[in-house]
Amino acid sequence: DVKVTQSSRYLVKRTGEKVFLECVQDMDHENMFWYRQDPGLGLRLIYFSYDVKMKEKGDIPEGYSVSREKKERFSLILESASTNQTSMYLCASSQTGRDPEAFFGQGTRLTVV
Amino acid sequence: AQSVTQPDIHITVSEGASLELRCNYSYGATPYLFWYVQSPGQGLQLLLKYFSGDTLVQGIKGFEAEFKRSQSSFNLRKPSVHWSDAAEYFCAVGAWGGSQGNLIFGKGTKLSVKP
Repeated sequence: DVKVTQSSRYLVKRTGEKVFLECVQDMDHENMFWYRQDPGLGLRLIYFSYDVKMKEKGDIPEGYSVSREKKERFSLILESASTNQTSMYLCASSQTGRDPEAFFGQGTRLTVV
Repeated sequence: AQSVTQPDIHITVSEGASLELRCNYSYGATPYLFWYVQSPGQGLQLLLKYFSGDTLVQGIKGFEAEFKRSQSSFNLRKPSVHWSDAAEYFCAVGAWGGSQGNLIFGKGTKLSVKP
């Protein structure tokens, strides 16, 4: 089974802190994604990466950055956390090719106070 | 631009009743279509997917979906709902930018099940 693991289920951070959300996948997938999920808005793509050290902006990249130094790991960074970044964050991975099926981690519920 | 519409934000059905969740998509080519389910506080789990071939697709947990090209729809169905089916359901279409693929999601339909 594909496994996508996010390092934390719940996080509470203070406004202005630098926050790291970590995601690891064990199926040698080329593509990795970070989504943000808010009630009534569904899943919105923040960033994705299709190779090591490669990244592409999604629909809502402002206030976020990412890092992919190894194929299996994709980090989401909030440079200076703000209360409007309180949300559920979901990491996903998929393989390159015609099948874009994504496999998801369990999510990180981030609260910024 | 690709998009997915789930017209129903919240649906309530009685246990044992049949279920249909609607999904309409906008995509220029033959789409890759998915249904995911999310239990409270969890990640998303794939229910089923359609790439080509038979337009009626069987998935896990007794769900099925039918692709109708003429209606740009991919509705999810279950003949008899169980209380454990209460969750949020997301329809998605596979989209490509260059050679890389990602999924575009609808806003989700929350399913409540009455005893």
